[in-house]
Amino acid sequence: QMQLQESGPGLVKPSETLSLTCTVSGGSISTNYWSWIRQTPGKGLEWIGYISYIGSTIYNPSLKSRVTILVDRPKNQFSLNLNSMTAADTAIYYCARVRSSGSDWSYFFDSWGQGTLVTVSS
Amino acid sequence: DIQMTQSPSTLSASVGDRVTITCRASQSISSWLAWYQQKPGKAPKLLIYKASSLESGVPSRFSGSGSGTEFTLTISSLQPGDFASYFCQHYNSFPFIFGGGTKVEIK
Repeated sequence: QMQLQESGPGLVKPSETLSLTCTVSGGSISTNYWSWIRQTPGKGLEWIGYISYIGSTIYNPSLKSRVTILVDRPKNQFSLNLNSMTAADTAIYYCARVRSSGSDWSYFFDSWGQGTLVTVSS
Repeated sequence: DIQMTQSPSTLSASVGDRVTITCRASQSISSWLAWYQQKPGKAPKLLIYKASSLESGVPSRFSGSGSGTEFTLTISSLQPGDFASYFCQHYNSFPFIFGGGTKVEIK
């Protein structure tokens, strides 16, 4: 049973950079694509971007200028960096597995981490 | 971006009821649509993909239909554990967009 677990700070100051890590267990990170998604009461669920196991990325244009997603295959982890944080970035951040392995158009999310609340405040 | 509109936003129903939730896309997304269930304090859980394919382990009372711009999620007989929020998500093109959600409440 594949499991994903987010880790990182729960509190970030305005203008700083958020760094989150997702650790994948029960399976290899080298078989699928991986995503970050966030959720707020106001905007709902927002897809942030995805990364393949070889490191190719696609980002949501709404966040593209501020986002970097990286993969660390030896550690079976992938990470999210979001810079220039503001109060509007306060959200629950989820990491998730994308069903697609690149050979099919299956860009939905079949395993999710429990989510981590990130608050932006001074 | 393709926008996804769900209706209703809230639905009151009783155990045993047949429940239908609608998701409309602002342009055709073929059958590239997924449905998720989310309970309070938990991550979303995949129910349906490719508009009508049931994810492994999901009870058969859940079903999805539609193509193009109009889709439905149906729960044939609502069970106590089904009171939750439901979201649709298109994956026709980037960026992937989720619907605003439908909360199914106890009547």
